[in-house]
Amino acid sequence: DTAVSQTPKYLVTQMGNDKSIKCEQNLGHDTMYWYKQDSKKFLKIMFSYNNKELIINETVPNRFSPKSPDKAHLNLHINSLELGDSAVYFCASSRGVRSYEQYFGPGTRLTVT
Amino acid sequence: AQSVTQPDIHITVSEGASLELRCNYSYGATPYLFWYVQSPGQGLQLLLKYFSGDTLVQGIKGFEAEFKRSQSSFNLRKPSVHWSDAAEYFCAVGPGSDMRFGAGTRLTVKP
Repeated sequence: DTAVSQTPKYLVTQMGNDKSIKCEQNLGHDTMYWYKQDSKKFLKIMFSYNNKELIINETVPNRFSPKSPDKAHLNLHINSLELGDSAVYFCASSRGVRSYEQYFGPGTRLTVT
Repeated sequence: AQSVTQPDIHITVSEGASLELRCNYSYGATPYLFWYVQSPGQGLQLLLKYFSGDTLVQGIKGFEAEFKRSQSSFNLRKPSVHWSDAAEYFCAVGPGSDMRFGAGTRLTVKP
């Protein structure tokens, strides 16, 4: 009965490959997010979706494409992976767009070789 | 745009000692403030939050934080640290849809 789940937990792949990370929340939340945490633990928001619509799209290479098939899911697809994409990617969700705290998934550690 | 500064990258305290982690924010309106904890290899867990009202907020695991508007601060405190508190701590400022995190403070607890 995990609130926010991500798959896979670890992902090792080579440069140039395409990969996807899946996220699901069973909290009934309307808003979902993707964050990137670099090797220095710095957390940066990448995307935010509210009711399946994109509301935040930070300066992220267009190789990254989020997809929200429904309110409970927000997947992240990455094309042509680069070494600099190696990081931990966190999915999160919140009840709404204003003021509510976010609940985080366990993270996906992506290593590009 | 909102931003958060956590001045201390790494803090070491002895088990049983008190703890204060600093957080300064920049936000144009009334801020929504949060503290999260990240244990090694884990996701982020919400410790406490401040939206309005009483400026001293209580959280889980015995933590508390005080909002000081005049100092633009939201420092996290715990009177007696346990070895299990060793983790990375993040301060964040909202609103929820556009939350900005500080760089984190790594807490080491000495036996």
